[in-house]
Amino acid sequence: QVQLQESGPGLVKPSETLSLTCSVSGGSMSNYYWSWVRQPPGKGLEWIGYIRYSGSTYYNPSLKSRVTISVDLSKNQFSLNVTSVTAADTAVYYCARTLSSSFSDTWGQGTLVTVSS
Amino acid sequence: DIQMTQSPSSLSASVGDRVTITCRASQGVYNYLAWFQQKPGKAPKSLIYAASSLQSGVPSKFSGSGSETDFTLTINNLQPEDFATYYCQQYKTYPYTFGQGTKLEIK
Repeated sequence: QVQLQESGPGLVKPSETLSLTCSVSGGSMSNYYWSWVRQPPGKGLEWIGYIRYSGSTYYNPSLKSRVTISVDLSKNQFSLNVTSVTAADTAVYYCARTLSSSFSDTWGQGTLVTVSS
Repeated sequence: DIQMTQSPSSLSASVGDRVTITCRASQGVYNYLAWFQQKPGKAPKSLIYAASSLQSGVPSKFSGSGSETDFTLTINNLQPEDFATYYCQQYKTYPYTFGQGTKLEIK
């Protein structure tokens, strides 16, 4: 059974870059898409984007200029970078396995990232 | 972007009740609609995809229906573990968008 685990700093300073990694275990990354979703404290879910195992990506236009998602199949990991962060980027960040560019069936536990000086 | 609107935003019900949550899309999404359950401090859990298909391992007390702009999630015989927040998501058109959530509370 595939499992996902997010990792990265829990605190990032304003204007700096938020970097998270999602480690995938118990299954292959091939033939799937790999997504990032975030949830500000007490609020709803926001889809950030995804990367196909082959490397093609799609990003939410609301974040597109600041977001990069990459994949490293050799390490069974994919990553998220968000540049020039502000307090509005404070959220729990989830990674998820996505089926055929559709819905996400398996999610990581999430990691809280706080943007503060 | 396609706006997803859930109603109600919150709902009180009793153990054993049957409840229905509605999700409306601002434009047609065919059946590219998923439902998730989220408990406090936990990740969302996939319940239903393609509007009415039950995710593997999800009990049959959960059911979904609808197409294009109007969708429903029905939960039969509510149990304490079902009290959570439920989200719909469309995945027909980028960017994929979620409803604002429906919080199901114990009466």
